[in-house]
Amino acid sequence: EVQLVESGGGLVQPGGSLRLSCAASGFTFSNYWMHWVRQAPGKGLVWVSRISSDGSSTNYADSVKGRFTISRDNAETTLYLQMNSLRAEDTAMYYCARAKNGYTLWGQGTLVTVSS
Amino acid sequence: DIVMTQSPDSLAVSLGERATINCKSSQSVLYSSNNKSYLAWYQQKPGQPPKLLINWASTRESGVPDRFSGSGSGSDFTLTISSLQTEDVAAYHCQQYYTTSPTFGQGTKVEIK
Repeated sequence: EVQLVESGGGLVQPGGSLRLSCAASGFTFSNYWMHWVRQAPGKGLVWVSRISSDGSSTNYADSVKGRFTISRDNAETTLYLQMNSLRAEDTAMYYCARAKNGYTLWGQGTLVTVSS
Repeated sequence: DIVMTQSPDSLAVSLGERATINCKSSQSVLYSSNNKSYLAWYQQKPGQPPKLLINWASTRESGVPDRFSGSGSGSDFTLTISSLQTEDVAAYHCQQYYTTSPTFGQGTKVEIK
């Protein structure tokens, strides 16, 4: 089955860290750019970061630059998002998405809550 | 960043009637070399991730009912649901993928009147 499955979310205190994972299956993971998109409760979709198919190129939203790091392991068909110095405003559902002229495949999301 | 603005924020339409959602970008997302607008539409039902409906402003994804259509070019785009069905109750989001920093509209909620 073609799918993306996120994990790693949870409750973390401000200033803390989390690492999100996105396990891909059913397609050739190494052929695709991959992105992270987040959605705060009751709000719209916001792009967070992207990584090239071979992992050599990355981009970040200004709001997370210097705090978040995207990476991937093509052998393990897994995408990662290392999130440091977390803030209350990072609270959101985090989705990984496969990019090909838009986001053609989304995971179910993992919820990150930043609160003391 | 390119700002995407949708209108309206919400709309209520009777079953079988037409629903129209507009999306405007703060700059053109039309790439002149291929004459394609880098604009996608997504449907998001409560508690679910978004689902791609349309890319290239007007190309329906496989399996998407033909009552969904996209139009427009450059900076002004429209998503039309020609005959609203119960299962179309959802939020709809436009997105530009023209730049290295994709951006979304704020979303439009469609309900049954």
